[in-house]
Amino acid sequence: AQSVTQLGSHVSVSEGALVLLRCNYSSSVPPYLFWYVQYPNQGLQLLLKYTTGATLVKGINGFEAEFKKSETSFHLTKPSAHMSDAAEYFCAVSQVGTYKYIFGTGTRLKVLA
Amino acid sequence: SQTIHQWPATLVQPVGSPLSLECTVEGTSNPNLYWYRQAAGRGLQLLFYSVGIGQISSEVPQNLSASRPQDRQFILSSKKLLLSDSGFYLCAWSEQGNTEAFFGQGTRLTVV
Repeated sequence: AQSVTQLGSHVSVSEGALVLLRCNYSSSVPPYLFWYVQYPNQGLQLLLKYTTGATLVKGINGFEAEFKKSETSFHLTKPSAHMSDAAEYFCAVSQVGTYKYIFGTGTRLKVLA
Repeated sequence: SQTIHQWPATLVQPVGSPLSLECTVEGTSNPNLYWYRQAAGRGLQLLFYSVGIGQISSEVPQNLSASRPQDRQFILSSKKLLLSDSGFYLCAWSEQGNTEAFFGQGTRLTVV
């Protein structure tokens, strides 16, 4: 069965500092991996996705993530945090043919001035 | 382009009352459709998904049901709401073949 673990339900960084949000997955077959962002009382917006090919994936708003099969990880990074990055971030996994997206419990990012 | 509409945005309902949340997708055909519930600190829980008209899969036993009367319409229902049904409900769709899922703006349901 698939599962997703996000380490740290709350992360605080200073404005301009590196953002690192951790995601580890469990999947018996090569997965599709996603990062979504959610602002208060809104739906989820896709930041980036990995399906096949290049393992370093670039997304919107300066975010990127690297698929590391050996570590079963898909950590999200951004070199310099901006106040507007404050939101909740969800990692998700799916497999072709399963029709399901399994989400982690989310990480709330706080950006300090 | 494809769009997803979910309504209402907020809803306050008494315990024991019925529920109907509606979701429609435009600009695509034969999408996979999903209902998720988000409770504080618990992430997103998949409630139902549908790969075609009349085909509903339930992920967790609960007080809720789902229906897909038309290709791009997905309805979440309950005959009698419980306090524990409170939460943020999200509808989503994806293309066949499982690329990314696209989410609606959500419905905040408060059962009082």
